[in-house]
Amino acid sequence: EVQLVESGGGLVKPGGSLRLSCVVSGFSFNSYNINWVRQAPGKGLEWVSCISSSSNYIYYADSVEGRFTTYRDNAKNSVYLQMNSLRVEDTAVYYCTRDRRSSGYSAVGYWGQGTLVTVSS
Amino acid sequence: DIQMTQSPSTLSASVGDTVNMTCRASQSISVWVAWYQQKPGKAPNLLIYKASSLESGVPSRFSGSGSGTEFTLTIRSLQPDDFATYYCQQYNTYSWTFGQGTKVETK
Repeated sequence: EVQLVESGGGLVKPGGSLRLSCVVSGFSFNSYNINWVRQAPGKGLEWVSCISSSSNYIYYADSVEGRFTTYRDNAKNSVYLQMNSLRVEDTAVYYCTRDRRSSGYSAVGYWGQGTLVTVSS
Repeated sequence: DIQMTQSPSTLSASVGDTVNMTCRASQSISVWVAWYQQKPGKAPNLLIYKASSLESGVPSRFSGSGSGTEFTLTIRSLQPDDFATYYCQQYNTYSWTFGQGTKVETK
C-alpha cells in the first residue's frame, strides 16, 4: 500500500523557519517525482514545489522561490521541505504527493494526510 | 503561469441529477488536466487524469472531456457521497495550477 506521511508542522512566528518531512512506503521511492501542495484554511489548492526522482531538477512556485528548499534522501525514503522567512500567508496544510506515474506528464496519484503550518505572532 | 478558471464556484443539485462543471485554461494545455474530489478535512482524491481517463476504482458516473483550453467534469446520477468540492489541475507545465474549486451542495 502506498503511503506518504508528513510531519513537522506547527506554530511559528513570522520570519521563522520550519522543516517538513515526508516519509514514504509501499513503492519504489527513487522512481517517482514528489510534489508539495498546500491549502490555506478554507481556500483552494496551491502547488509549492516539485523534486524529480533523482533530484536532478527541482521547481518552486514563485510565491516560495528563494525561501523554501526541497530535497530528498532516497536512502531514507524521505523528502523534506525547508521553509525559511515564513510569512502569515504561508499558513496552510501542506501535502506531500506522489505522481500517478513514474515518467512523463502525470497527475497526483497519492496524497499524504497533510501537516498544518501556522505562521502567526 | 497558466491560469485555470473553474466554474461555477457553487453548484446546487439533488441526488440523481447530472451535473457539469467547467475549467478553462489561459493557454492550450493539450489533454494534461486532472480532476480531484475533496471532502472536508481530507486530502483530495484523483478522479480523472489526462482529461478523460477514469482513475482506477472511481465510479463510472464520473467522466471528463475536453482538450486545448476547455475541459468539463460530468457526474451522472449524483449520489449522496458526491457532495464535495471538485478541483481541476493542469500539469502541462511546472508550475502546476489548480482551479478555484466547485462546491457541489444539496439543493
